[in-house]
Amino acid sequence: NAGVMQNPRHLVRRRGQEARLRCSPMKGHSHVYWYRQLPEEGLKFMVYLQKENIIDESGMPKERFSAEFPKEGPSILRIQQVVRGDSAAYFCASSQSSDTQYFGPGTRLTVL
Amino acid sequence: RKEVEQDPGPFNVPEGATVAFNCTYSNSASQSFFWYRQDCRKEPKLLMSVYSSGNEDGRFTAQLNRASQYISLLIRDSKLSDSATYLCVYSGGGADGLTFGKGTHLIIQP
Repeated sequence: NAGVMQNPRHLVRRRGQEARLRCSPMKGHSHVYWYRQLPEEGLKFMVYLQKENIIDESGMPKERFSAEFPKEGPSILRIQQVVRGDSAAYFCASSQSSDTQYFGPGTRLTVL
Repeated sequence: RKEVEQDPGPFNVPEGATVAFNCTYSNSASQSFFWYRQDCRKEPKLLMSVYSSGNEDGRFTAQLNRASQYISLLIRDSKLSDSATYLCVYSGGGADGLTFGKGTHLIIQP
């Protein structure tokens, strides 16, 4: 049973470009969470999704960031018009109901 | 006041020693508590859940004190492989996601 998968593992973008981060939850998990870890900081909750629904986006920046979890396919975290301050590690976690969250390996975004 | 406060360390501890970390949290509505471990540039991994009655898993013992809003982790007979950052985490308290501390960095020295 494969764990949580994220791709790409590393992503480099220039300021103003778009970044798309993908997350495939563990088999049987329908709950997906996105977290951001800035350098030298703790993980911060961004958004919680179930299939086709955003349940809690209280941690998402108000502009440029969006997330989806379609009926088919992975969850996507999209960052438009990236800025240097978006450089961070973005972790996805999945769970079965509101059970233990299992984390993916993360995507390290670098904005030049 | 920060939601979760931890001593960032680093704690430099000789192999075989016992080491203890503490963590305080500010949200009294928090429901569940955990210790996660994060190795350098890796994802967090669940080490253990924390209960008021205290729980033990091998060399690791965790304790929760709700009255003082305080969580502890004790590692006995430390191994080189215990070197990592230990994250104090809670869930509930009004948010659906987990709330993480910045972590305590532990270095076990041979």
